[in-house]
Amino acid sequence: EDQVTQSPEALRLQEGESSSLNCSYTVSGLRGLFWYRQDPGKGPEFLFTLYSAGEEKEKERLKATLTKKESFLHITAPKPEDSATYLCAVGYAGGTSYGKLTFGQGTILTVHP
Amino acid sequence: GAVVSQHPSRVICKSGTSVKIECRSLDFQATTMFWYRQFPKKSLMLMATSNEGSKATYEQGVEKDKFLINHASLTLSTLTVTSAHPEDSSFYICSAEDRRNEKLFFGSGTQLSVL
Repeated sequence: EDQVTQSPEALRLQEGESSSLNCSYTVSGLRGLFWYRQDPGKGPEFLFTLYSAGEEKEKERLKATLTKKESFLHITAPKPEDSATYLCAVGYAGGTSYGKLTFGQGTILTVHP
Repeated sequence: GAVVSQHPSRVICKSGTSVKIECRSLDFQATTMFWYRQFPKKSLMLMATSNEGSKATYEQGVEKDKFLINHASLTLSTLTVTSAHPEDSSFYICSAEDRRNEKLFFGSGTQLSVL
């Protein structure tokens, strides 16, 4: 059974305090691993897609990495506006559409000024 | 700007009424759209896959007669919650697949409250 587990459930940081969020996955054939940001009462906002182990992608203060079993979202020198829930999701190979994703439960990030 | 538009953002209705939620892809054609449901502080649960011009595919445990999906054009999918009851109250989110770049974009969500 495909599973996605994110840790920690919640993370509180001081502004400028770098850290990482973890996403562990078990999937029968990975088609892509997705990171999204979700603000309260809003739909998820696309951040990254990673396809193969060793791949890395960056966007501003965020950097996503992928291994065969997990992905990390590194946040460098976070700011209060980075506070949100970060969702990890996997799409599996063999399906007719990559968009049928299995989501983790999310990590609630709070960055204090 | 948003590439997937979802309306309404919030709806309050009486028990027994039906509610329609629209999901539009704004600058690309989406042959496939997805409908998710999200409970407070929980992750997204896929309800169904909406395919343009054909019947939707529902996930296990989702009542297809309760949640009617129509995908009549390449840019529009609708979810109708029929005979809504308080237990249907939830945050519903649609997504559309842009196959040009394999990106999946989400709508802004609809908060449904059934009284």
